Amino acid sequence: DAGVIQSPRHEVTEMGQEVTLRCKPISGHDYLFWYRQTMMRGLELLIYFNNNVPIDDSGMPEDRFSAKMPNASFSTLKIQPSEPRDSAVYFCASSLDRESYTDTQYFGPGTRLTVL
Amino acid sequence: KNQVEQSPQSLIILEGKNCTLQCNYTVSPFSNLRWYKQDTGRGPVSLTIMTFSENTKSNGRYTATLDADTKQSSLHITASQLSDSASYICVVYTGFQKLVFGTGTRLLVSP
Repeated sequence: DAGVIQSPRHEVTEMGQEVTLRCKPISGHDYLFWYRQTMMRGLELLIYFNNNVPIDDSGMPEDRFSAKMPNASFSTLKIQPSEPRDSAVYFCASSLDRESYTDTQYFGPGTRLTVL
Repeated sequence: KNQVEQSPQSLIILEGKNCTLQCNYTVSPFSNLRWYKQDTGRGPVSLTIMTFSENTKSNGRYTATLDADTKQSSLHITASQLSDSASYICVVYTGFQKLVFGTGTRLLVSP
């Protein structure tokens, strides 16, 4: 399996532009997570989906952020309009739908976003 | 407020030496604690998982300990290698799919 796939790996944009980050989870995984990582705040959960349905979006910073999962193999995180403070590394992760507490989230390589 | 604090923030050691990373947490409820390794430019990868009743868990040269009474965990790396250079993140699970992340310790193993 190729693991969690994210694109692009790097994105540089100007303030005010729309940014779309993409994620392909591991096949067969029913949970998908979007995280943001900064030096100051570390890793923060933004939103997660179960079977393509958003379950908890309480971590989404504001209305400029939106996430969708139109099917089991694809998700997007969109920022519109982008601001310099959105600069961070955005990770996508997926996990199996199991009740066990030992269920593991597998992370993608991340997208490094720079907003000028 | 749920919090996970790690120390030191960064650490430099010579190849072949041992080191210990610390994690203190104030999280409730507690489900399990994990240590993740994050290589530069990569996503975090799980190293160890410990539940409330487990004191020690090993994964090769990595040994994690947990003291649920004092709410402290440590990650000990034995005979360090250059490939151990990475950030190590302590993560506490408060329930199914609910995680609280530490800010990590950046380790550099020098030749």
